[in-house]
Amino acid sequence: QVQLVQSGAEVKKPGASVKVSCRASGYSFTDYYMHWVRQAPGQGLEWMGWIDPNTGDTNYAQKFQGWATLSRDTSINTAYMELSRLKSDDTAIYYCARDGRMGTMGADWFAPWGQGTLVTVSS
Amino acid sequence: DIQMTQSPSTLSTSIGDRVTITCRASQSIDSWVAWYQQKPGKAPKLLIYKASSLETGVPSRFSGSGSGTEFTLTISSLQPDDFATYYCQQYHDYPLTFGGGTKVEIK
Repeated sequence: QVQLVQSGAEVKKPGASVKVSCRASGYSFTDYYMHWVRQAPGQGLEWMGWIDPNTGDTNYAQKFQGWATLSRDTSINTAYMELSRLKSDDTAIYYCARDGRMGTMGADWFAPWGQGTLVTVSS
Repeated sequence: DIQMTQSPSTLSTSIGDRVTITCRASQSIDSWVAWYQQKPGKAPKLLIYKASSLETGVPSRFSGSGSGTEFTLTISSLQPDDFATYYCQQYHDYPLTFGGGTKVEIK
């Protein structure tokens, strides 16, 4: 079955960087865009951007432009989200989520989602 | 950015009740809306896409309707497993945006 498995929880100090991984299985990794969405504690969902695993092209929400970096390694079917210059309000659960369909250029619903990775930023 | 406004933010209800959640978009988004269910400590799960299409495996008591700027998610007869938070999402334009969520809780 289609599955996204993310890396484990991280604790970082303010100013540091974090890199979260998302390993895909059960489908052709390069056929579907991969999105990243975050959720602060007790809050709603915020879309960060997508990566096309086939070409490496990316599209970021303006808020995350120049601050988040999406990448992938097609040899191991894994997508990555790196966030730099962390602040305390970056404490959140970070989800990867696959595009619902092939060929949508990233404007789509999300299914399935990874299990989430809690990133805690604290001094 | 397209704003998605959900109402109500909290809904206190009982088993067997009919539940309706509304999502309003700040501009027309045709039918490009999805609905998700999220339980505590879990990732969101897709219920509905393209405003009214039921995702495979989702119980038929869930339905979606609407187009343009107003959309609804309906649960025809609430079951114990349905107590959760529900989110709408538009995919008409970037940035992709979500509603603020509706928590369905036990009365």
